[in-house]
Amino acid sequence: AQSVAQPEDQVNVAEGNPLTVKCTYSVSGNPYLFWYVQYPNRGLQFLLKYITGDNLVKGSYGFEAEFNKSQTSFHLKKPSALVSDSALYFCAVRDTTGRALTFGSGTRLQVQP
Amino acid sequence: GAGVSQSPRYKVAKRGQDVALRCDPISGHVSLFWYQQALGQGPEFLTYFQNEAQLDKSGLPSDRFFAERPEGSVSTLKIQRTQQEDSAVYLCASSWGQQGAYEQYFGPGTRLTVT
Repeated sequence: AQSVAQPEDQVNVAEGNPLTVKCTYSVSGNPYLFWYVQYPNRGLQFLLKYITGDNLVKGSYGFEAEFNKSQTSFHLKKPSALVSDSALYFCAVRDTTGRALTFGSGTRLQVQP
Repeated sequence: GAGVSQSPRYKVAKRGQDVALRCDPISGHVSLFWYQQALGQGPEFLTYFQNEAQLDKSGLPSDRFFAERPEGSVSTLKIQRTQQEDSAVYLCASSWGQQGAYEQYFGPGTRLTVT
């Protein structure tokens, strides 16, 4: 069975500072990893994914994520946070044979002006 | 182009009523998924379609839940004899291909409240 852990319910960061949202995963074989963002009363928006290749993946809105196989982690990062980045962030995993995503419980990012 | 749309956006049902939730995926997307998102939780998989074929329904919580996609496009999730524990946001997602590497695009969800 596959699983995702997002150890922080909430992350607070000041605008302009770098941000990190943590994610670790467990899956049989090689993982496909995804980050989604959810704004109030809206569906999940795709940010980025890791499939294979370069461990540093760049995505939408200046976000990036680093795949670390030995630590089974896929942390989301951004060099300079914006107030508009405040939202709920979900990490998700799928093994290479599956189709459905398994999501973490989400991390609320709060960026203070 | 248009994204995934879902209707209704909000549904209030009395316990015991049947409900039908509609999903219009992105045109041309082969794969369609339904997820259930409880308050404060991440989405949980319910069922998966490849075109009109329902290939995985392992996440459906009971036989009161039924999904269909008869022409390989629009899908309907039906819940019979709704219970209070069915209250959640129901998300539909679609993706272009069959392989797991493709990202899924989500609709805004239908918030179901069972009273």
